[in-house]
Amino acid sequence: RKEVEQDPGPFNVPEGATVAFNCTYSNSASQSFFWYRQDCRKEPKLLMSVYSSGNEDGRFTAQLNRASQYISLLIRDSKLSDSATYLCVVNVGYGGSQGNLIFGKGTKLSVKP
Amino acid sequence: NAGVTQTPKFQVLKTGQSMTLQCAQDMNHEYMSWYRQDPGMGLRLIHYSVGAGITDQGEVPNGYNVSRSTTEDFPLRLLSAAPSQTSVYFCASSDRISGLVTQYFGPGTRLTVL
Repeated sequence: RKEVEQDPGPFNVPEGATVAFNCTYSNSASQSFFWYRQDCRKEPKLLMSVYSSGNEDGRFTAQLNRASQYISLLIRDSKLSDSATYLCVVNVGYGGSQGNLIFGKGTKLSVKP
Repeated sequence: NAGVTQTPKFQVLKTGQSMTLQCAQDMNHEYMSWYRQDPGMGLRLIHYSVGAGITDQGEVPNGYNVSRSTTEDFPLRLLSAAPSQTSVYFCASSDRISGLVTQYFGPGTRLTVL
């Protein structure tokens, strides 16, 4: 079965802390990878795509390890506004069809003052 | 642009009733999807469409029908509601740039079946 596994948390961290989430995927044919953010009782929104070489967007850094089939998200200098659930998403197919998008169950982050 | 819109926001049904959840997007996206999100289960794909007139089943299609007569609209029909269909339903449309699929989600419909 195609699966994307995440630690559900919650991760409770103080403001300013650095926190890292990992995600593992089972299908070695997976083509593309993403992190989405979902606030409480809201819809998921794309946080960032994950590229093979790793990529950074401000305080957020995403890494991909194809050999070990895991993806990571690092958040530096955590803000209260970073409190949310972070969803790992894997595209296991070709051609961009969303029928091949597999969502993890999410990791909950709570940043405390 | 309104993005992806969903109606209604909340709905309570009795077992056996039918209803249609509406979804529309104004971004001219070819791909549209319906997901349900349950506690501890994450997002699960119900049905999806790669263009007008084309639909396909996702992971959990039983009890739901879809149609795609226009690019903009992708309604989800519950044929005979059951308590197991109590969930939050998200519609999404997809933009594909350089082979990467980005999903844009609507605000969701919270459905309770009694």
